[in-house]
Amino acid sequence: DAGVIQSPRHEVTEMGQEVTLRCKPISGHNSLFWYRQTMMRGLELLIYFNNNVPIDDSGMPEDRFSAKMPNASFSTLKIQPSEPRDSAVYFCASSYGEIQPQHFGDGTRLSIL
Amino acid sequence: AQSVAQPEDQVNVAEGNPLTVKCTYSVSGNPYLFWYVQYPNRGLQFLLKYITGDNLVKGSYGFEAEFNKSQTSFHLKKPSALVSDSALYFCAVRDRGGNTPLVFGKGTRLSVIA
Repeated sequence: DAGVIQSPRHEVTEMGQEVTLRCKPISGHNSLFWYRQTMMRGLELLIYFNNNVPIDDSGMPEDRFSAKMPNASFSTLKIQPSEPRDSAVYFCASSYGEIQPQHFGDGTRLSIL
Repeated sequence: AQSVAQPEDQVNVAEGNPLTVKCTYSVSGNPYLFWYVQYPNRGLQFLLKYITGDNLVKGSYGFEAEFNKSQTSFHLKKPSALVSDSALYFCAVRDRGGNTPLVFGKGTRLSVIA
């Protein structure tokens, strides 16, 4: 199994630019989660999808953040415009069923200058 | 509301000694409980889970955890620590009845000293 695949692994961009993070979940998984990890705030859930439908986006920090899941094998997290405080590691995870663990990708390390 | 507490930010243990990483939880019903490990520049990696049955759960890399309902705890243990066990460990909980996200603790950094 290829696991959860995230791209890019690293992104450095200037404030104000649009940033798009990508995630391919494990085939057959029906839930997808986006997290953000920082030293100060730890691991934060941003949004999650069940069967490609957004269920809870209350963790999305601002309207500058948006997420889509157009099909079962792809999701994006977009930040527009980006700000230095958005610098963090962003993780995508997927799972199937309530007794199964979430499987994480290796994350995208985002630096906004 | 569900919550997880990991009371120690940092645990230091000598190589070869037993290790314990503590976790307590709060849920409205019966929980599903998980432990994850995170190595530098990597995502969280699943170690073990408690769903039902035997309170002692065995997982990857020689780790085990004991579910204690009366104390609402799920401590992670290993009989003999290795330097390579040094990492960040997360406890997580999910209430039964739906495919909702795991609720994670803040993490405990384990350092195993040679």
